[in-house]
Amino acid sequence: DIVMTQSPDSLAVSLGERATVNCKSSQTVLYTSNNQNYLAWYQQKPGQPPKLLIYWASTRESGVPDRFSGSGSGTDFTLTISNLQAEDVAVYYCQQYYTTPYTFGQGTKLEIK
Amino acid sequence: EVQLVESGGDLVQPGGSLRLSCAASGFTFSNYWMSWVRQAPGKGLEWVANIKEDGSEKYYVDSLKGRFTISRDNAKNSLYLQMNNLRAEDTAVYYCARDRLDYDNLTGYYWVPYFDYWGQGTLVTVSS
Repeated sequence: DIVMTQSPDSLAVSLGERATVNCKSSQTVLYTSNNQNYLAWYQQKPGQPPKLLIYWASTRESGVPDRFSGSGSGTDFTLTISNLQAEDVAVYYCQQYYTTPYTFGQGTKLEIK
Repeated sequence: EVQLVESGGDLVQPGGSLRLSCAASGFTFSNYWMSWVRQAPGKGLEWVANIKEDGSEKYYVDSLKGRFTISRDNAKNSLYLQMNNLRAEDTAVYYCARDRLDYDNLTGYYWVPYFDYWGQGTLVTVSS
């Protein structure tokens, strides 16, 4: 199975500042035939289901604010939240869909400092 | 508007069985792969299983093979998860999720196993 490891487990960032969440996969999720990284990011607020933010490692889902961005390739990925807003408080998960079983990172809890 | 509504969660004793349902609306259910994802209390997300549009292909996380069965009824726009021989570690919120149907100019529509819509979840508690 591909193991997804996120860092840090939690972080506190001031309003208006930048938050960075890292995700590392135990093997590549880059499919060379189409040069796509099979990596998605989700946001989960308390008491709610996850919400898709980013897919193909860097493509923002429709309706997601452009302060959310994804980057990285191969085994190392980053979710960046610029100009942090109060409503961004949540747990963030990465997920690989390169191969079954589709696996998630353990989550990163983002709070306001 | 896409809606996924799970039901069937309950308190069940170890060794018992339960069948979860997910009612889908707002999209053409028979065109989409569908998944179940679970989340133990205070824990992260675990993909459980998914099923092809016509039910002809099913995939499971290895640890649950043989105990859980995913199925669907496209005439009823419904997804199911039959759970047998339940254990305490199966205690979780179970989410129904829609796999993405993407589009490419060269290949047309194609399935991608990330999840663009989720239900609110149904809680399964396994305890004596």
